[in-house]
Amino acid sequence: AQSVTQLDSHVSVSEGTPVLLRCNYSSSYSPSLFWYVQHPNKGLQLLLKYTSAATLVKGINGFEAEFKKSETSFHLTKPSAHMSDAAEYFCVVRLTGANNLFFGTGTRLTVIP
Amino acid sequence: SQTIHQWPATLVQPVGSPLSLECTVEGTSNPNLYWYRQAAGRGLQLLFYSVGIGQISSEVPQNLSASRPQDRQFILSSKKLLLSDSGFYLCAWGVMQEQFFGPGTRLTVL
Repeated sequence: AQSVTQLDSHVSVSEGTPVLLRCNYSSSYSPSLFWYVQHPNKGLQLLLKYTSAATLVKGINGFEAEFKKSETSFHLTKPSAHMSDAAEYFCVVRLTGANNLFFGTGTRLTVIP
Repeated sequence: SQTIHQWPATLVQPVGSPLSLECTVEGTSNPNLYWYRQAAGRGLQLLFYSVGIGQISSEVPQNLSASRPQDRQFILSSKKLLLSDSGFYLCAWGVMQEQFFGPGTRLTVL
């Protein structure tokens, strides 16, 4: 079975400070992992993806994530938060060869000016 | 380039009324197509996916149905809406590893 757990439903940071959004996965096989961002009343946009290449993945808007197999984690980070980063972030796992994506419950990021 | 359209953007319907949400994709052929629902305060739930015309897989039993009458058209329907059908409905298309999402339809059932 595969699942993904986002450990924080809400994260609040000050503008200019680092962002850490946590994600742990469980999968019996080598997964593909994604982070998506959703701004209010908008569709989802892919931030970055891990597909068994480099374990440190760089995405759009200065975000990056590191795949740690030993910890079954794929945490999303950004060195300095911007007001426009305020949104809902979803960690997603996809089993190799499968059609389905399994979404975490999401983490709402608030950026305080 | 590929684009994905959904309409309507918002919809308010009474309980028991029918539903039809449409999704179309441009710029790609034979994509996998998906319908997701995002209920208030909850993550996304996969409802249906399709790997080709007329091929629909249902992930969750419910009073919704999906159809794919053309290669790049995916329709979500219901004969009688329930209050619990309220939510944000997202269509997505996918090739290989990634899925690309439409702008969504916000459905409110009163």
